[in-house]
Amino acid sequence: EVQLVETGGGLIQPGGSLRLSCVASGLTVSNNYISWVRQAPGKGLEWVSVIYSGGRTYYADAVKGRFTISRDNSKDTVYLQMSNLKMDDTAVYYCARDVAEAGTGNWFDPWGQGTLVTVSS
Amino acid sequence: EIVLTQSPATLSVSPGERATLSCRASESLSASLAWYQQKPGQAPRLLIYAVSTRATGIPARFSGSGSGTEFTLTISSLQSEDFAVYYCQHFRTFGQGTKLEI
Repeated sequence: EVQLVETGGGLIQPGGSLRLSCVASGLTVSNNYISWVRQAPGKGLEWVSVIYSGGRTYYADAVKGRFTISRDNSKDTVYLQMSNLKMDDTAVYYCARDVAEAGTGNWFDPWGQGTLVTVSS
Repeated sequence: EIVLTQSPATLSVSPGERATLSCRASESLSASLAWYQQKPGQAPRLLIYAVSTRATGIPARFSGSGSGTEFTLTISSLQSEDFAVYYCQHFRTFGQGTKLEI
């Protein structure tokens, strides 16, 4: 069974930094695309970042220059390093396998259970 | 950037009835649209991908259809466990969601 588990969330002051982890089991992160998607309280889903199997990374404009996605293949773990955090970054952060197939686009499956990041003074 | 607009924002239906949820794209899509179900306090769950393919373990009462800019998720004969929020997704864009309530 493929499973993703996020950790690392918490309460952080504006301007602070936090690193989230996404540990995979049942899949090899280096062979997959892994995305981070967030959901602010009471709001919808917002894609944040992706790391491709080949190592390329992409970011949403809202986090570009502040967030960095990376992975440790030996631990089957993907990280999201978040810096210069803003109150608007308050959200549940999910990691998900980003499945892409030619001709049929992409979808996210499975998702982790999420980790809550609260940015507040 | 493609914008996905879901309607209605809230849909009130009764168990056993049929629900039709809409997702409209700001420009024509290829066969690239997915649907997710999210219940309170839970992560989203993939229901449909590639417009009309049910994900593993998804009951046959869930079906997806559409093309171009108009897409539909249909839930025939609603069960109590189907009341949730539903999102459509294309590439890295999500719709704003439709809440299905009793």
